[in-house]
This record gives sequence, structure tokens and C-alpha cells, in this order.
Amino acid sequence: EPEVTQTPSHQVTQMGQEVILRCVPISNHLYFYWYRQILGQKVEFLVSFYNNEISEKSEIFDDQFSVERPDGSNFTLKIRSTKLEDSAMYFCASSPQPRGTEAFFGQGTRLTVV
Amino acid sequence: AQSVTQLDSQVPVFEEAPVELRCNYSSSVSVYLFWYVQYPNQGLQLLLKYLSGSTLVKGINGFEAEFNKSQTSFHLRKPSVHISDTAEYFCAVVPIYNQGGKLIFGQGTELSVKP
Repeated sequence: EPEVTQTPSHQVTQMGQEVILRCVPISNHLYFYWYRQILGQKVEFLVSFYNNEISEKSEIFDDQFSVERPDGSNFTLKIRSTKLEDSAMYFCASSPQPRGTEAFFGQGTRLTVV
Repeated sequence: AQSVTQLDSQVPVFEEAPVELRCNYSSSVSVYLFWYVQYPNQGLQLLLKYLSGSTLVKGINGFEAEFNKSQTSFHLRKPSVHISDTAEYFCAVVPIYNQGGKLIFGQGTELSVKP
């Protein structure tokens, strides 16, 4: 069964360092998303991506964040200068269409900023 | 703007007992509704969704949910739970007009099934 895969499963980084979280969405999907969940809090939307551009982003998704689909298969989230408050579980998701169809989620990357 | 409230953060139940996980939402526009489940160390998996039509929807693993527009609720139920149902459950909505399909999640309910 097709699935969304995320790497790494856990990353520890020092404050101020850049991190790249990687995702391989399901191959025939067109819409891609990043969500995050700070421990004990809600799953929050970060950004959606379609046709090689951002279609929507939340207010969390400021200039330190960027997304890219560099090679037609990977979908990456870059955090330029990590802060302690960026520590969270980051989920990648993809769907064949927006809105009414199921979004398929990866297992998440736990980012710990120290 | 939309918001989702899951009224119970933790629900402990005994095996084979019925369970209801409550979800209320607030929205000025029509929404699609979803329940996702997260088993330990796994990603979120769709349990069921309501798009239109019958307000009672059935999902995987014997779960069902009922959409109540007047009460803006979408409660999840199962008549008899198993130990394997222990997981975190998330209610979510997507505004029908939203082009990108952004999911808005509730806080999650941790279901703990005890023998």
C-alpha cells in the first residue's frame, strides 16, 4: 500500500542551526502539506503546496521556514535558524485532491532543538 | 475562521464497553469533517469522513460518527472497544471553499482501553 515516508524519524539540533526535514509523498498525489504538533498541543497547519508553489501558509510559517519539491519526488521543509520553540513533531501529508479526499500522513519527524 | 474543540482530553474505558469521543466545531461556512487516529509511534490515519448526504458515517475498525449541523457536532462512537483501539483520536474540519485543503484539528482525545 502506498505511504508517505518521512526522514529522519528523530532529529536533534542546536539552536540556530538549519534543519531540513524530508518527505516522500505518494507518487500520484498533487497536494502536499506540512503540519506540526508541539508536545501536548494541537496539530497545526503550516503550509500547503501545489503545482510547485505554496498555495496557503499559516502565520506560523514565517521567513525562517521554506518548502521545496526539488526533484519531483521529495518534499522538504527547511527551518533556517532553529529556535527552542520549534521543537515539535512535524508531519508531512499528501492528497490527490484538496478538501474532500483523504490526506495521507507520514509517521512524523520529531525535532528537538537544544 | 474555524475552530474544533474536543471536549475530553483523555477517555479511559474498559474493553468491550461502548465509547463516545466528542467533537464540536465552529465555522461560519460549510465544512467537511474528519476523524483521524494516531496509534503509538505512527502517523495519522483516516478513520472516517463526512462530506455530504447521510449524517451517519461509518469508518474503519467499527467506528461511526454522526454529523449534527444544528449542534455543530461530529461525535465518534464505537459500541464495543478493544485493547487495540488505544490511541489518540483527532477531529478535523476543512472549509468547503478552501482551495488548498487545509485541515484544522482539535486538541485530540487519548483513548485508553483497559482489560
